[in-house]
Amino acid sequence: DVKVTQSSRYLVKRTGEKVFLECVQDMDHENMFWYRQDPGLGLRLIYFSYDVKMKEKGDIPEGYSVSREKKERFSLILESASTNQTSMYLCASSLRPGGGGYEQYFGPGTRLTVT
Amino acid sequence: GIQVEQSPPDLILQEGANSTLRCNFSDSVNNLQWFHQNPWGQLINLFYIPSGTKQNGRLSATTVATERYSLLYISSSQTTDSGVYFCAVAYGGATNKLIFGTGTLLAVQP
Repeated sequence: DVKVTQSSRYLVKRTGEKVFLECVQDMDHENMFWYRQDPGLGLRLIYFSYDVKMKEKGDIPEGYSVSREKKERFSLILESASTNQTSMYLCASSLRPGGGGYEQYFGPGTRLTVT
Repeated sequence: GIQVEQSPPDLILQEGANSTLRCNFSDSVNNLQWFHQNPWGQLINLFYIPSGTKQNGRLSATTVATERYSLLYISSSQTTDSGVYFCAVAYGGATNKLIFGTGTLLAVQP
C-alpha cells in the first residue's frame, strides 16, 4: 500500500514564525503536491514538484515556498506565518504520467492554526 | 480552466438506502478520482476512473468520458459512509494536477 505521512496532525504557531510542514512518501513517486483546504473554497494547489529539486507554482503560491532535496520528502515552508494561512494542509504523491494520469494518494493532513 | 461540478451538494439518507452522486466536468480529462473525506480530514481513495466502470464492495463508479460526467453509486448505505465525497480531475500535460469539485456532504442516519 502507498503510504504518505505528514509530520504533524495539529500545529499551532504564532504570527511571524517560520513554519515547516513535512511530507514523506514511500512509493518512489516522482510527483508530490501540497494543497490547502478551506471552508467554502475547497482544495487548492499551492505547489508541486515533479522531481528532486524541481518545483512549480500551483494556484495559490503566495506566502509559501517548498523544498525537495530527496525524492521521498517534500516540505512546505511558511516564511512568516500569518493568520490567513490557518488552514488544513494536505500532501499528496503520484507517479509522473507519461501522457496519461496516475492515481494521487493523500496524507492524513495537518491542521495549522496561526494565532 | 476546467470546471468540476458535483451534485447534490448535500444528501441525507436513512441507513440501508442507495444513492447516486454526480460529477460533471467541462473538458477532456486524463485522470478522474473519487475520494471520501473522513471526519478527521483524511482523503480516502475510492476510485481512480478516467473512463469505464469499477466496483468495490457496496460502492461502484462509472465515468462516461465522451459525455464528461462520472457517477458514484453507494448501495445499502451505512452510518460510516457519512462524510464529504469529492470528485477530482486532471487534464493535459504530465503534471497530474488535480482540480477538485466542491464535494457532496452525505449524512447517513441510523
